[in-house]
Amino acid sequence: EADIYQTPRYLVIGTGKKITLECSQTMGHDKMYWYQQDPGMELHLIHYSYGVNSTEKGDLSSESTVSRIRTEHFPLTLESARPSHTSQYLCASRIAGTGAYEQYFGPGTRLTVT
Amino acid sequence: GENVEQHPSTLSVQEGDSAVIKCTYSDSASNYFPWYKQELGKRPQLIIDIRSNVGEKKDQRIAVTLNKTAKHFSLHITETQPEDSAVYFCAASTGANSKLTFGKGITLSVRP
Repeated sequence: EADIYQTPRYLVIGTGKKITLECSQTMGHDKMYWYQQDPGMELHLIHYSYGVNSTEKGDLSSESTVSRIRTEHFPLTLESARPSHTSQYLCASRIAGTGAYEQYFGPGTRLTVT
Repeated sequence: GENVEQHPSTLSVQEGDSAVIKCTYSDSASNYFPWYKQELGKRPQLIIDIRSNVGEKKDQRIAVTLNKTAKHFSLHITETQPEDSAVYFCAASTGANSKLTFGKGITLSVRP
């Protein structure tokens, strides 16, 4: 089924650990995004990509990094997790082009750093 | 850059009443305005969108209106039901290669 997937859904990890949040979409979308959101609160764009080998920082400064080696895959990495990174991380994607703007969200990863 | 504001931040209505949520935007070049609904613990999902070449769009109980002159757009929900309770986000974009700029969200509560 065409969808956008995120793993893990929940992650509790200690301070200083390196983590990678996975995001994959099977819709063939060129554009992908990472948002940080505290539950029910504002969506903050932290990274985006317009295609393979394209990555840009978003509106909210983040210590995380991203890569885009394959169209369907857009992982987010934190080299050294801190309690301030505790949040929900939402991945999103949309098709390129002028006629279709809908942006689809993944189910999110809820990260807790102890 | 674009700035999108939503008012009010919370809204409570009686079941069966109508709800109106308003958003303003700053960039006159914005031409795409989606509304997303996020239920508790779920992902945001698109419920309706409008492009700048139309003034109103309707889909069953929900409608969106756009006033380009005043740079604001509104979500209208009629005959509200408890399952309409959620956080609603408006957003704006200036074109195919642009990012969506989201408002801060409004929590709608529908009282049974």
